[in-house]
Amino acid sequence: SQKIEQNSEALNIQEGKTATLTCNYTNYSPAYLQWYRQDPGRGPVFLLLIRENEKEKRKERLKVTFDTTLKQSLFHITASQPADSATYLCARPGYSSASKIIFGSGTRLSIRP
Amino acid sequence: DVKVTQSSRYLVKRTGEKVFLECVQDMDHENMFWYRQDPGLGLRLIYFSYDVKMKEKGDIPEGYSVSREKKERFSLILESASTNQTSMYLCASSKRDRTESPLHFGNGTRLTVT
Repeated sequence: SQKIEQNSEALNIQEGKTATLTCNYTNYSPAYLQWYRQDPGRGPVFLLLIRENEKEKRKERLKVTFDTTLKQSLFHITASQPADSATYLCARPGYSSASKIIFGSGTRLSIRP
Repeated sequence: DVKVTQSSRYLVKRTGEKVFLECVQDMDHENMFWYRQDPGLGLRLIYFSYDVKMKEKGDIPEGYSVSREKKERFSLILESASTNQTSMYLCASSKRDRTESPLHFGNGTRLTVT
C-alpha cells in the first residue's frame, strides 16, 4: 500500500529561523504532493502543490522540494513567525484512484518568540 | 471562496445510536470525502464520492456508510455508534476535472460516543 510519513510529530524553533518539515513516501512516486496547514479546531487549508517533475516550488516565505530519488518532500518556512505555528500535513494521491487523497499524520510546528 | 459546512461542531451520542453527520459544499464540486482525525494517526479516509450516488471505500470504512443523493451534500452514517468511533470527523470537497485539485475542508465535527 502507499504510505506517507511525516517523521517529526512536533518541531519547536526560534522566531526568525527557517523551519524544515519532512514528508517521506513509499512505493511508487506520486504525480504530485500537496501541503496543508491546520490550526486547532479547524479543517486543513491547502498551501502548495508540487509535481513530480518539479524540483522546487515557492510561495512567499514557503518553499517545497520534491526528491524522487530520496522519496521525500521538504517544506520550508523562512523567517518564521509565531503566527506560523500550526500543524502541517502532506498528502499524496492514491495509486488505485487519483481522487483518493492520503494524508500524513502531520507535524506540529511551534515558533517561539 | 469554497465553503464546506458541517452541520454540527460537537456531537455527543450513546453507544448503539444511529448517527448522521451532514456536509454541504457550495462550489459544485464533484468529489466529496469523509476523513476522521485522531492524535498520532493523522487523517484517515473513510469514504469518498466522485459523483451523485457514487461512492468508494477509503482505508477505514468498517462501521460507516455514506449517502450522496445530491451533488452538494454528502452524509456519513454510523449505523450503530461505538466508543471507538469517538473522533474528529472532517468533510472535504474537490473538483474532479483536475486530478491535482486541492481539497477544501469543513471545520470538523467532534463526535463523542459514550
